[in-house]
Parts: sequence; C-alpha cells; structure tokens
Amino acid sequence: EVQLVDSGGGLVHPGGSLRISCAASGFTFSTYWMHWVRQAPGKGLVWVSRIDSDGGSTNYADSVRGRFTISRDNAKKTLYLQMDSLRAEDTAVYYCARSMADSAMFPFDHWGQGVLVTVSS
Amino acid sequence: SYVLTQPPSVSVAPGKTARLTCEGNNIVFKSVHWYQQKPGQAPGLVIYYDNDRPSGIPERFSGSNSGNTATLTVARVEAGDEADYYCQVWDSSSDHVVFGGGTKLTVL
Repeated sequence: EVQLVDSGGGLVHPGGSLRISCAASGFTFSTYWMHWVRQAPGKGLVWVSRIDSDGGSTNYADSVRGRFTISRDNAKKTLYLQMDSLRAEDTAVYYCARSMADSAMFPFDHWGQGVLVTVSS
Repeated sequence: SYVLTQPPSVSVAPGKTARLTCEGNNIVFKSVHWYQQKPGQAPGLVIYYDNDRPSGIPERFSGSNSGNTATLTVARVEAGDEADYYCQVWDSSSDHVVFGGGTKLTVL
C-alpha cells in the first residue's frame, strides 16, 4: 500500500526556518517525481514545488522561490522542504504528493496527510 | 501565468446531476485533473486526463474538456459527494502546476 507520511510542522516566528519531511513507503520512491502543495486556513490548494526522481531538477512557485528548497533522499525514501525566511502568509497545511509518473504533467495520485506550519510572533 | 477559474459554490438536490466548471484560456489543449477534498482530509484524485477515473471512483463521476471550459459531472448526487472540488493543470510554459480556486459542492 502506498503511504506518504508528512511530519515536522509547528509554530515558527516570522523570519525563521523550518524543515518538513514526507516519508514514503509501499512503492519505488526513487522512480517518482514528488511535489509539495499547501493550503492556507479556509483557502484553496496552491502548488509550492516539485522535484524529479533523482533530485537533479526542481521548480518552485514564484511566492517561495529563493526562500524554500525541495530535496529528497532516495535511500531514506524521504522528501523534504526546507523553508527559510518564513512569512505570516506561509501559514498553511503542507501536503506532499506523488506524481502518477515521471513528469509534472501527470496528476497527483497519492497525498500525505498534511502538516500545519504556523508562522506567527 | 496560467489561471483556472472555478465557481465558489454549486448546490444540487440528491439524485440530480451536478456540473462543476473550470475555465482557462484554451484549456482544451491541456490535460485537466480533478480532486475531491472533504473537511479535515487530504485531497483525492477523482478524474485525470480530462475523463479517466482512478480505480475505486464511481462511474457517476465523469469529465469533459472543450474550448475554454473543463467540466466535472457528478450524476445521481449523493450526500457523501459533498466536498470541495479542485481542477488542476500543468502549465508547460512555466513548468508550474496550477490549481483552480475550488468549488464547494453542497447537497441540499
């Protein structure tokens, strides 16, 4: 069974940093592109970032480019999102999601349960 | 950047048909995916590549894509279909994934 388990959320001050993780199981993690999607309280889904299967190619939404870094450890079957220079508007539930196949054009067929990141003083 | 527009809400009586739209410039040339999200849950894929259904999704769910509008159709609506629905595409020009703002489907 495919499972994605998000972890690492919490409260952080504006300007601070946080790293969230997504542990994968039940599939060959190293062959799938992965994404982060966020959802502010009461709002819709917003794509944040994606990484290809070997970590050699990444892309980011304009709102987080230069502040967030996506990475993966295929040996540990884990996806990461390093979030720096956090702002109040980054407050959201963050979900990891798997692309159905090895391209960003494919849909997200499995999602983590999400972690809440709250940026507040 | 590419923009997808969805109506904020749609209401339908049980047993009737709900049609949820997703508008985007020449969206017919893109592959549209649809997700269902119930309160407190992660989203789940219900339609992909305009009109394919993942295993386990009832045949009552179908999709279409033409011109500037993609549509998710839910036939014989049930109380359990009440949820937020999001359309999604990949914008090749920016290599970004784009979501619509979402539609809340209310079953009367």
